[in-house]
Amino acid sequence: AQSVTQLGSHVSVSEGALVLLRCNYSSSVPPYLFWYVQYPNQGLQLLLKYTSAATLVKGINGFEAEFKKSETSFHLTKPSAHMSDAAEYFCAVRKGGSNYKLTFGKGTLLTVNP
Amino acid sequence: EAGVTQFPSHSVIEKGQTVTLRCDPISGHDNLYWYRRVMGKEIKFLLHFVKESKQDESGMPNNRFLAERTGGTYSTLKVQPAELEDSGVYFCASSPDSYVQETQYFGPGTRLLVL
Repeated sequence: AQSVTQLGSHVSVSEGALVLLRCNYSSSVPPYLFWYVQYPNQGLQLLLKYTSAATLVKGINGFEAEFKKSETSFHLTKPSAHMSDAAEYFCAVRKGGSNYKLTFGKGTLLTVNP
Repeated sequence: EAGVTQFPSHSVIEKGQTVTLRCDPISGHDNLYWYRRVMGKEIKFLLHFVKESKQDESGMPNNRFLAERTGGTYSTLKVQPAELEDSGVYFCASSPDSYVQETQYFGPGTRLLVL
């Protein structure tokens, strides 16, 4: 069975500081990995996804994530936080083959302080 | 292009009542998924439709939950009778194909509170 662990249910950073949201996965087969963001009162929006084409994936709004197979990690980063980045972030994994469902982590709430 | 829409946005019902949630996927998307997030827990998969057929319903909690997608367009998720533990946010998502790297587009969710 595959699973996703997001370390830290709540992360607080200052505006302009580095954002680092951690995600570790377990999967018996090469996974496909996703980061979604949920802004208040909105649905989940895809930030970026890893599909084995490149280990460093760039997404929207200046976010990027690096797939590290040896560490089974897919951490999300942004060099400089903006107030508008305050939201809840979800890491998700999807196994290859015919398994279409996403398995999510518990989410990390990002707070950005002025 | 309109995104995934869900109705209602909020629902408050009493234990034992029936509630029906509706999801309208993005036009042309054959694949439709239902997920649920119970408070404090992760978002969990409920089921997957390909057009009007149930491809995978392994995440449905029990037989009080019934999902349909007549005609392969919109879908409904009925909870009958509702229990306290059914409270949570129900998300619907859709995608044009079922490839493993395909993006699933999510709706805003329906917040269900069972009292």
